[in-house]
Amino acid sequence: KAGVTQTPRYLIKTRGQQVTLSCSPISGHRSVSWYQQTPGQGLQFLFEYFSETQRNKGNFPGRFSGRQFSNSRSEMNVSTLELGDSALYLCASSLEFPAYNEQFFGPGTRLTVL
Amino acid sequence: QQPVQSPQAVILREGEDAVINCSSSKALYSVHWYRQKHGEAPVFLMILLKGGEQKGHDKISASFNEKKQQSSLYLTASQLSYSGTYFCGTPGGNTPLVFGKGTRLSVIA
Repeated sequence: KAGVTQTPRYLIKTRGQQVTLSCSPISGHRSVSWYQQTPGQGLQFLFEYFSETQRNKGNFPGRFSGRQFSNSRSEMNVSTLELGDSALYLCASSLEFPAYNEQFFGPGTRLTVL
Repeated sequence: QQPVQSPQAVILREGEDAVINCSSSKALYSVHWYRQKHGEAPVFLMILLKGGEQKGHDKISASFNEKKQQSSLYLTASQLSYSGTYFCGTPGGNTPLVFGKGTRLSVIA
């Protein structure tokens, strides 16, 4: 069974630009969660999608948005990039509710904002 | 509310044991444990879903004390492959999982 895939793996952008990250969950998994990981803040929850609906959202500004498609693939978008957005963005999929099920993480997208 | 992990870092020699603690100021309904090796994605270790539950595989086990609002991860006879950062996660208010800041474990020969 293929694991969670994320594209691209690395991105370099400049302040003010926008970026779209993509995540393909494990086949059959309907829940996709996104996390931002930085050395200082650790793993911080961004949002969770289930059946094309955003079910939960973390404490991030509106510049961070996402969506899920009918095939469970998910994208997240960050607009008007700031230096502080530099981080590893991880996507995780689970069968159903991630609070009670194992999450499988993708390799992440390393975003660098210059 | 982010769970608190202790210690923040620990260095072990091969064969030694370690305990990593995870505590919360609010009621816990489940506790997740993940390990992340340097440059890799976090990998699931186990979930504890009810108080008093204990789980383990190989030489890594965990317990969940619901009343004390804490969980502990036990690593027995550590191996080099155990090195990495261990995270505990607990359900939050509007967050499926809130992770602690992690415990960096280094096992040396």
